[in-house]
Amino acid sequence: GAVVSQHPSWVICKSGTSVKIECRSLDFQATTMFWYRQFPKQSLMLMATSNEGSKATYEQGVEKDKFLINHASLTLSTLTVTSAHPEDSSFYICSARDWGHGTKTQYFGPGTRLLVL
Amino acid sequence: AQSVTQLGSHVSVSEGALVLLRCNYSSSVPPYLFWYVQYPNQGLQLLLKYTSAATLVKGINGFEAEFKKSETSFHLTKPSAHMSDAAEYFCAVSDTGGTASKLTFGTGTRLQVTL
Repeated sequence: GAVVSQHPSWVICKSGTSVKIECRSLDFQATTMFWYRQFPKQSLMLMATSNEGSKATYEQGVEKDKFLINHASLTLSTLTVTSAHPEDSSFYICSARDWGHGTKTQYFGPGTRLLVL
Repeated sequence: AQSVTQLGSHVSVSEGALVLLRCNYSSSVPPYLFWYVQYPNQGLQLLLKYTSAATLVKGINGFEAEFKKSETSFHLTKPSAHMSDAAEYFCAVSDTGGTASKLTFGTGTRLQVTL
């Protein structure tokens, strides 16, 4: 149980285009999902907390107009990188909190590698 | 504010040897502590977690960790390393309040297992 999927796993796009990444909790409901960014050989940096039915909460320094987050259902959150530039190239990982079991455990997706040319 | 310090960005052990990955935390409230493992180009997999129950926590793949409040530590151990244990390991801390508790990660420790 507690499986989180991400789609796509890889995406290459041209500079200036927008890219949407989906995060799904497959076997549990998640009122809260998190989006992280990871640079090569570095730790995870929390970008934002995604709350079902309400606006996302962004960490300091993260541009909310650049990284649009939508959490439309209890099993799906999307991250859209708008007008992507090469510096947005990174590994993006989502996680979902297993609300049903009342624990503090976050289960992570397999990640999406974005390359902006 | 919470923080996690992982001592040693790289640890190398021989196959069959003891694995010890160090994690110290700082938290103003009783913490929840986690160890995650990350294989190349993959997301994070939960190894084990401490949520204020037993101080010695057993996880998957033979790993365990002991919560020591007096030392503010949550070191990860495994009696005998396997080649398949080679990966990046992250310690993380979360507070106990709220429904959207954030995880604060350490910088990670890369475990190398040699023959």
